[in-house]
Amino acid sequence: GAGVSQSPSNKVTEKGKDVELRCDPISGHTALYWYRQSLGQGLEFLIYFQGNSAPDKSGLPSDRFSAERTGGSVSTLTIQRTQQEDSAVYLCASSLLGHQETQYFGPGTRLLVL
Amino acid sequence: SQQGEEDPQALSIQEGENATMNCSYKTSINNLQWYRQNSGRGLVHLILIRSNEREKHSGRLRVTLDTSKKSSSLLITASRAADTASYFCATDGGAGNMLTFGGGTRLMVKP
Repeated sequence: GAGVSQSPSNKVTEKGKDVELRCDPISGHTALYWYRQSLGQGLEFLIYFQGNSAPDKSGLPSDRFSAERTGGSVSTLTIQRTQQEDSAVYLCASSLLGHQETQYFGPGTRLLVL
Repeated sequence: SQQGEEDPQALSIQEGENATMNCSYKTSINNLQWYRQNSGRGLVHLILIRSNEREKHSGRLRVTLDTSKKSSSLLITASRAADTASYFCATDGGAGNMLTFGGGTRLMVKP
């Protein structure tokens, strides 16, 4: 079946603008994750959705970052008033049940803030 | 600091040679996973080893886990140029904690 998809693939924006990144998880996967990866670095956990439970937002770096997951499927990560340090690849992943299982990653969105 | 830390940070070998990457972690775990990433894009799951397992094989991959030393190794045998990628270990930190990824090992296999 289809894997995790993300859009857009690339986004260039000006400092101070808001951006929305979208993630379509694998159908039937109850868990969804957002990560950020700066150039040449490891993955930084941002937020985790599990079913209808309240999301784990412990990784969000500031209140400019927010995410929602509508209908238990598609998720949108929003960054308000973008800063240059927000430039990174934003990766979405989903897993069937929970965070201890194999995660399936999307191709990522490469964000560049000028 | 990161839960999982890989070493070396970078590894360059010739095609046909074996590549060994190591991962160390700090807290108890339920399982440890290895992922591969090409060209800074999405990660691909390679193998999962549970805390009660010591060794696991998948094709040319061999993973070991030593919970007493809080370390794991990933061995790629008979490497190919197509194995060139970054390899990350991820641990769950036990007790239902989130997966934490290490900084990765960048492997280059020269043809």
